[in-house]
Amino acid sequence: GAVVSQHPSWVICKSGTSVKIECRSLDFQATTMFWYRQFPKQSLMLMATSNEGSKATYEQGVEKDKFLINHASLTLSTLTVTSAHPEDSSFYICSARRPSDEQFFGPGTRLTVL
Amino acid sequence: GQSLEQPSEVTAVEGAIVQINCTYQTSGFYGLSWYQQHDGGAPTFLSYNALDGLEETGRFSSFLSRSDSYGYLLLQELQMKDSASYFCAVRARTGGFKTIFGAGTRLFVKA
Repeated sequence: GAVVSQHPSWVICKSGTSVKIECRSLDFQATTMFWYRQFPKQSLMLMATSNEGSKATYEQGVEKDKFLINHASLTLSTLTVTSAHPEDSSFYICSARRPSDEQFFGPGTRLTVL
Repeated sequence: GQSLEQPSEVTAVEGAIVQINCTYQTSGFYGLSWYQQHDGGAPTFLSYNALDGLEETGRFSSFLSRSDSYGYLLLQELQMKDSASYFCAVRARTGGFKTIFGAGTRLFVKA
């Protein structure tokens, strides 16, 4: 199957700092990438849909100014958590969709905000 | 909006067969996917049904009935390594294509 990578795999930061998470599709071009957040023992909650070259579409309740998404190329999308707070600590997972409509998930990034 | 319902937990023994049901409500339905997630890991794709009927992939099978807004994942010859969370997810076109996940079913496989 296709490979989607995320970097970093885990990050610990101080409250108030910003953290950038990268999502790359390694062997295909992804016109659309998705960002999910998962709290412990809960489901994956879709945060936003990221389309290459255009603004991201955020789900209801997700602050677009706090979670900045940039989809600069067909293989890279970034999520920046700005002014992170302890309640933002979570598992952030991206997925990339192939033109064939199959969707592949990255390994996730575990964010801990102290 | 979308909503999905699946049992929160299922327990079974090694070698047994288990069925995890999923009912959904959504507009713009395209298909139903199933994902497996082990603790600390990312979801891995198991199956996708866009049409009614049964799809078989090794020990795992998935079924969809679009008229009943219902699907299930069937796991046969259970192994200890199958202990994980299983999510059904609808692929829908509502303001763009999206995949929305259910709450997940925690499967415990006992020896």
